[in-house]
Amino acid sequence: GQNIDQPTEMTATEGAIVQINCTYQTSGFNGLFWYQQHAGEAPTFLSYNVLDGLEEKGRFSSFLSRSKGYSYLLLKELQMKDSASYLCAASTFMEYGNKLVFGAGTILRVKS
Amino acid sequence: GAVVSQHPSRVICKSGTSVKIECRSLDFQATTMFWYRQFPKQSLMLMATSNEGSKATYEQGVEKDKFLINHASLTLSTLTVTSAHPEDSSFYICSARDQGGPTYEQYFGPGTRLTVT
Repeated sequence: GQNIDQPTEMTATEGAIVQINCTYQTSGFNGLFWYQQHAGEAPTFLSYNVLDGLEEKGRFSSFLSRSKGYSYLLLKELQMKDSASYLCAASTFMEYGNKLVFGAGTILRVKS
Repeated sequence: GAVVSQHPSRVICKSGTSVKIECRSLDFQATTMFWYRQFPKQSLMLMATSNEGSKATYEQGVEKDKFLINHASLTLSTLTVTSAHPEDSSFYICSARDQGGPTYEQYFGPGTRLTVT
């Protein structure tokens, strides 16, 4: 089956660094996405990893280890506006194309 | 670029009625669109994958006769919730894949909040 695990909630302080972990078990894996979702809104794309290693994009970085079925999202210099739910999603290949399997999301609370 | 719209953003309907939700790609052509459902404090669950001009592929456990999907053009897909019940109340989100873009990327619409009374 398909399984994506990530912590339910995390709290961090403004200006700090936080790492949100994600482990996955999927068949036909072909990439790992991270999305940010504010309450009542649609997800917005943060990052995509298909090869092992670290992808850096401004304050956000994402890491993937395909052999370990593991990814993390690293947020630096936290701001209050970073308070949101962060969704890990594995892209899997199906006979009719790729589809995304989402984790339950990690609610990040940034405190001052 | 890569904007996806949904209409309506919110809808309240009575139990037993049908509701249609539209998903449009505004500045690109989308051969594939996806429909998700999200219950409070839960993640997005894929309901179906819709390809332009062909029948939708439904995920296991999703009733295709209850959730009718039509993808008649490269910029429009519709989801009709038939004979709605209170348990169908949820946040419905569509996404679209740009025909000319990376095959891995999906662009999400702003979502439709459905409340069935």
